[in-house]
Amino acid sequence: QVQLQESGPGLVKPSETLSLTCAVSGYSISSGYYWGWIRQPPGKGLEWIGSIYHSGSTYYNPSLKSRVTISVDTSKNQFSLKLSSVTAADTAVYYCARRSLETSFDYWGQGTLVTVSS
Amino acid sequence: DIVMTQSPDSLAVSLGERATINCKSSQSVLYSSNNKNYLAWYQQKPGQPPKLLIYWASTRESGVPDRFSGSGSGTDFTLTISSLQAEDVAVYYCQQYYSTLLFTFGPGTKVDIK
Repeated sequence: QVQLQESGPGLVKPSETLSLTCAVSGYSISSGYYWGWIRQPPGKGLEWIGSIYHSGSTYYNPSLKSRVTISVDTSKNQFSLKLSSVTAADTAVYYCARRSLETSFDYWGQGTLVTVSS
Repeated sequence: DIVMTQSPDSLAVSLGERATINCKSSQSVLYSSNNKNYLAWYQQKPGQPPKLLIYWASTRESGVPDRFSGSGSGTDFTLTISSLQAEDVAVYYCQQYYSTLLFTFGPGTKVDIK
């Protein structure tokens, strides 16, 4: 069974960089699929942040592209998100997920709440 | 960008009755090369991540009860819960994955028991 688990600080100061990691178990990232990040502000809808292929090719939401970096570490079977220059508007539950070309996002982590506040 | 809209924003249905949620995309999500609609439906319960229910607009994900069905093509889609159960109380989202440069979700429809 594929499992994903997000980890990282739950509180980030404004203007700093948000950093999260998604550990994958039950499937080797290097075997394929795309791996992505989606966020959900409290009480609101879902926003795709970006995705990465196992080869390292990345695809970002144009509205966040200037601030986002997604990377993959196949040796640790994990991928990471960095979002720079955060503001209160970046406060959200951040989910990592596996994306299939056929089914879209088929496996999700439980999510981690990141609050941007001084 | 492909903009997704959903209607209604919320609905309340009696147990055992049918619930219908509509989703509309601002442009077609049908790939002519394989005749597949790149439209997925998710269910999200409070405090949980979204769960994939339907992909390719009408294909149920493994393990999803057959009371959930998806239909539609092009720009107009429907998720139907044929006989609402208590455990179906959730927010339902549609999502297009036709545009791989920007995946977009609908705003969600909240389903409650009447």
